[in-house]
Amino acid sequence: AQSVTQLDSHVSVSEGTPVLLRCNYSSSYSPSLFWYVQHPNKGLQLLLKYTSAATLVKGINGFEAEFKKSETSFHLTKPSAHMSDAAEYFCVVSPIILTGGGNKLTFGTGTQLKVEL
Amino acid sequence: NAGVTQTPKFRVLKTGQSMTLLCAQDMNHEYMYWYRQDPGMGLRLIHYSVGEGTTAKGEVPDGYNVSRLKKQNFLLGLESAAPSQTSVYFCASSWDTSYEQYFGPGTRLTVT
Repeated sequence: AQSVTQLDSHVSVSEGTPVLLRCNYSSSYSPSLFWYVQHPNKGLQLLLKYTSAATLVKGINGFEAEFKKSETSFHLTKPSAHMSDAAEYFCVVSPIILTGGGNKLTFGTGTQLKVEL
Repeated sequence: NAGVTQTPKFRVLKTGQSMTLLCAQDMNHEYMYWYRQDPGMGLRLIHYSVGEGTTAKGEVPDGYNVSRLKKQNFLLGLESAAPSQTSVYFCASSWDTSYEQYFGPGTRLTVT
């Protein structure tokens, strides 16, 4: 069984200040972890992913996330927010398997990021 | 390379009507998925497919059927639409479940 908890449904930051979006997970297996971003009326786009390599993962647009097994966390950060970062962000977990066995992604409920001037 | 495309983009149905949503991908992915997105609930998996000719139930399959007759296409059917099926539907595809999923732009369905 697996689950994802995004600890904040809404986060508001000022432009140029750091962003922190929090995610905790549980999984019976070693997980793959992803962050996706969804801009208004758009589909989801992958920001970054962790698949058991380096624990600090760098993604697009200056975002990064750190996998902490002891804390079962995968928080998303960015040093300096930009207005274009305003969107909804989803933390996603999937068990790592070698061949297709039908295991599926489990999505968090999303964090809406607001960036103010 | 269009990625994942969905048809139609918008649709309004009356209760009891039927319709089919089409998803197409040109990346030769084995896995395809249908999700629904409702406010405050993230994305929930309806059905998925691990290859041509195969389908399986996801988290919320009731009221929906799917078919994967061709590797590049994944169809989602509503036989008798209900207001509870008002949602935004996303299709996605991937090489495998540990790989990233590529999402289509979504279909906004309203059932009155």
